[in-house]
Amino acid sequence: RKEVEQDPGPFNVPEGATVAFNCTYSNSASQSFFWYRQDCRKEPKLLMSVYSSGNEDGRFTAQLNRASQYISLLIRDSKLSDSATYLCVVANSASKIIFGSGTRLSIRP
Amino acid sequence: DTAVSQTPKYLVTQMGNDKSIKCEQNLGHDTMYWYKQDSKKFLKIMFSYNNKELIINETVPNRFSPKSPDKAHLNLHINSLELGDSAVYFCASSQGAAGELFFGEGSRLTVL
Repeated sequence: RKEVEQDPGPFNVPEGATVAFNCTYSNSASQSFFWYRQDCRKEPKLLMSVYSSGNEDGRFTAQLNRASQYISLLIRDSKLSDSATYLCVVANSASKIIFGSGTRLSIRP
Repeated sequence: DTAVSQTPKYLVTQMGNDKSIKCEQNLGHDTMYWYKQDSKKFLKIMFSYNNKELIINETVPNRFSPKSPDKAHLNLHINSLELGDSAVYFCASSQGAAGELFFGEGSRLTVL
């Protein structure tokens, strides 16, 4: 079983739609959780950290469920510029940062 | 000023050659990493250094040798290149071992 698993997509949704991604992790001792965004042929960049209480940044909401070992990302009112690959990232107690394989999102006009 | 810079951006070479990729960060971070992203876009950690000390060494062939002359630099040397080494190699840095990662723009290696 992979340490961090994501649905690879692609998700193809119209502009303005709401889209949600889930990610599961296998190590219950994992300590930190993030969502990164990677545009085509570019480097990954931090989108947001994920806190136990859940957090929101504009149109983006991240949630953590430690009991079920998954994190989620919700994007509301999606824009064309949201088209990218979204990477779920988990840091475990050994300070190892593991990336999921990414979920591709494509927003159509 | 680029925060994490790596050179070269593109590298095309023959099988069996030896090549190096350099990485420098000017963020004052204490931890640096090398990640490999293959054709399936999966980002896999190779090495992690904290204050010039190796802390993570994944199952990577010993043809790959990282070197950290100081905490702002982490270079990657690859001996006897193979076709399967073709990938994009990303350098990254963070403050602490679980902080936000800042990536370089990547070095696209093609082995012919």
